[in-house]
Amino acid sequence: AQKVTQAQTEISVVEKEDVTLDCVYETRDTTYYLFWYKQPPSGELVFLIRRNSFDEQNEISGRYSWNFQKSTSSFNFTITASQVVDSAVYFCALSEAGIQGAQKLVFGQGTRLTINP
Amino acid sequence: DAGVIQSPRHEVTEMGQEVTLRCKPISGHDYLFWYRQTMMRGLELLIYFNNNVPIDDSGMPEDRFSAKMPNASFSTLKIQPSEPRDSAVYFCASSLWGQPQHFGDGTRLSIL
Repeated sequence: AQKVTQAQTEISVVEKEDVTLDCVYETRDTTYYLFWYKQPPSGELVFLIRRNSFDEQNEISGRYSWNFQKSTSSFNFTITASQVVDSAVYFCALSEAGIQGAQKLVFGQGTRLTINP
Repeated sequence: DAGVIQSPRHEVTEMGQEVTLRCKPISGHDYLFWYRQTMMRGLELLIYFNNNVPIDDSGMPEDRFSAKMPNASFSTLKIQPSEPRDSAVYFCASSLWGQPQHFGDGTRLSIL
């Protein structure tokens, strides 16, 4: 069975600090996808990134970066120079490479990130 | 382009009443998903459709829950009869084949 663990329930930092959100996953599939979604206080779920299991290259998008390591089954998310607007609940998710192209997401429990001014 | 549209945004009703949640996927998307978010269980997939056909409903909690997709631009999730433990935020998401899902704003459901 697939499982995603986000051990950090809550993180609180001061603005401009760097912060890393941890994500560890379990799957027996050799082909799978990993995701990060953001849920701001307004409640919607915003897609941030998807990586497939064959691509271990780290990715950077502005202040956001992601570190994917198959050896440790981890897909960590770092926010550099955090801002108050980054305050949200962040979800890591896993899906198998669906036969029909549908990606059934298994979510972690989320990490509530608070950036204090 | 419009995103996934869900209605209503909030619903408060009494136990035993029928509840219908609505979703309009992104135009052209051929997959539609219904999720439920609760404090206890987090985000969990209830059911998903491909080209309006239900493919996997293994996450539907019990027979009181049903979902339909009569056409490519509309889906409903119905609870009948509703119970207090059904209180949650229900999300609809849509996607193209093999692409990430895009979520609606959710419906916050409270069953009194």
